[in-house]
Amino acid sequence: GENVEQHPSTLSVQEGDSAVIKCTYSDSASNYFPWYKQELGKGPQLIIDIRSNVGEKKDQRIAVTLNKTAKHFSLHITETQPEDSAVYFCAASKGNAGNMLTFGGGTRLMVKP
Amino acid sequence: DTAVSQTPKYLVTQMGNDKSIKCEQNLGHDTMYWYKQDSKKFLKIMFSYNNKELIINETVPNRFSPKSPDKAHLNLHINSLELGDSAVYFCASSRKTGGLIYNEQFFGPGTRLTVL
Repeated sequence: GENVEQHPSTLSVQEGDSAVIKCTYSDSASNYFPWYKQELGKGPQLIIDIRSNVGEKKDQRIAVTLNKTAKHFSLHITETQPEDSAVYFCAASKGNAGNMLTFGGGTRLMVKP
Repeated sequence: DTAVSQTPKYLVTQMGNDKSIKCEQNLGHDTMYWYKQDSKKFLKIMFSYNNKELIINETVPNRFSPKSPDKAHLNLHINSLELGDSAVYFCASSRKTGGLIYNEQFFGPGTRLTVL
């Protein structure tokens, strides 16, 4: 089955700096890659996603890149703010078999004011 | 007007007991899921139901039995609770899936289960 690895497990940045989180996946049939943000005591919330027919997608301060050949994708957050502090999860799906998501291990991002 | 709700938020119980967690979504979605998040924050799919029918069961022990009385509800019943069942359980829902349709999954707030 699919295996998703995520790095780093913790990331501390100064407010205003950029943050990059990287994920690799094992199943070349995966073609949907969402990123979720989980704040303390809450459920994960989708912040951005990318499909396999696209190499890059941007939404304000957040961008995601996908390299299908290398089977890795990354989340980029620019101009980080304290409210960006949370645990971020990448995931991969083949879009069939019930839309099953395989999650990476999570990255705890801390933005210091 | 919560989209995906779960009850209870916290559940503390003894080993060997049977307990249930309820989930409801008011988004009109056809597909619902249960995920388990362990103490290291690792999230893993347990079940997926599409229109009240089971479509994924990820090698979950049969002590876990999901029940979907209608499209808006997916409850999780756990028999003979074990210490290793302690975790946060998340319910989620999405629009109908299948083929190349990718639909955002909306997660509930989670239920923290502690087995003593």
